[in-house]
Amino acid sequence: EDKVVQSPLSLVVHEGDTVTLNCSYEVTNFRSLLWYKQEKKAPTFLFMLTSSGIEKKSGRLSSILDKKELFSILNITATQTGDSAVYLCAVEASKGNSGGSNYKLTFGKGTLLTVNP
Amino acid sequence: EAGVAQSPRYKIIEKRQSVAFWCNPISGHATLYWYQQILGQGPKLLIQFQNNGVVDDSQLPKDRFSAERLKGVDSTLKIQPAKLEDSAVYLCASSLLAGWYNEQFFGPGTRLTVL
Repeated sequence: EDKVVQSPLSLVVHEGDTVTLNCSYEVTNFRSLLWYKQEKKAPTFLFMLTSSGIEKKSGRLSSILDKKELFSILNITATQTGDSAVYLCAVEASKGNSGGSNYKLTFGKGTLLTVNP
Repeated sequence: EAGVAQSPRYKIIEKRQSVAFWCNPISGHATLYWYQQILGQGPKLLIQFQNNGVVDDSQLPKDRFSAERLKGVDSTLKIQPAKLEDSAVYLCASSLLAGWYNEQFFGPGTRLTVL
């Protein structure tokens, strides 16, 4: 069974701090790793990572994947109160070699980030 | 572009009652997903449709859950009868195609409370 483990489960910081969120995985037929931000509604897409060592950046957020050690980190610099949310990591894995529609996402439990003013 | 629509947004029922949720995906999206998200956990895929066919329902508790997407557009998810452990947010998502990687767009979810 595919597994995605996120740590820490929750984190409280002050505005301006830098945070690092961790995601490790054990899946068969890995294809990509995705990060989502979930406030009090549906998850919104942040990054998709497919290759090791290539950093993806979007403003104050960045992420990198290590396919050898099977983990990814999400960094947020100069945190703001608006960054408070649950950050979900998901791994896309193919269930077979037929390609096409035979893949699924497995989510971790998420990291609840609270940024205090 | 309109997003994924879901209704109702909230539902409270007693155990052993039935409930149905509705989802209208983004226009033109062939693939539709239903996820169950229990408090404190990540979303868990219940069922995936490609057009009106089921691609994956391996984690759907088929003794009480059913879903359909008859015309390949909107979809309903039903629970009959509900149990206390079904209390969760039910998220619908859609993507343009399945396969690699078509971004999944999530709806606002239906929060179900079973008393």
